[in-house]
Amino acid sequence: DGGITQSPKYLFRKEGQNVTLSCEQNLNHDAMYWYRQDPGQGLRLIYYSQIVNDFQKGDIAEGYSVSREKKESFPLTVTSAQKNPTAFYLCASSIAGTSVETQYFGPGTRLLVL
Amino acid sequence: AQSVSQHNHHVILSEAASLELGCNYSYGGTVNLFWYVQYPGQHLQLLLKYFSGDPLVKGIKGFEAEFIKSKFSFNLRKPSVQWSDTAEYFCAVATDSWGKLQFGAGTQVVVTP
Repeated sequence: DGGITQSPKYLFRKEGQNVTLSCEQNLNHDAMYWYRQDPGQGLRLIYYSQIVNDFQKGDIAEGYSVSREKKESFPLTVTSAQKNPTAFYLCASSIAGTSVETQYFGPGTRLLVL
Repeated sequence: AQSVSQHNHHVILSEAASLELGCNYSYGGTVNLFWYVQYPGQHLQLLLKYFSGDPLVKGIKGFEAEFIKSKFSFNLRKPSVQWSDTAEYFCAVATDSWGKLQFGAGTQVVVTP
């Protein structure tokens, strides 16, 4: 079954802690994206990557970091510098990252702060 | 700054009613336009998209959208909704050559039997 998997489904973060959200795809897509979804605000782009070992900041990258060491994996770290991390995080991928392509989304990870 | 506006945050309607969801964007150049849908418990998925050609595009499940360049709009329509159309609908716009999408705030649609 091809698709995007995200884990965990729920994640709890303590004050001052870094946490990492996993995103894996087996669609053989070059481009991957991380979005944050807040109620009433839609989705906002955090980071995106169009090729292995390269990634770009989106609109709200502060307090987040990513890596793209493998084509199929694009983990997102929420650092302690992100002061309001409680949100629903969505990972997506597309074939090559052009603006006409469909993006395919994972099931999401809900991050809660303790 | 570029933005995408969806006119209604919540819509409640009965089965067989017609649905129209508004979407306006603020960008004067070439745009590619999308509607995504999130059904309860499911992944966000593409409903339809426009990037060139006929400004009236048809998508899955009987949905269609019309691109009106002069009005910077890309409204979504369905002539007769079903209970299974209950979902959250997002308009999205790509304004550069890469796949960076600007999303609207979303419209929660509830269809009552």
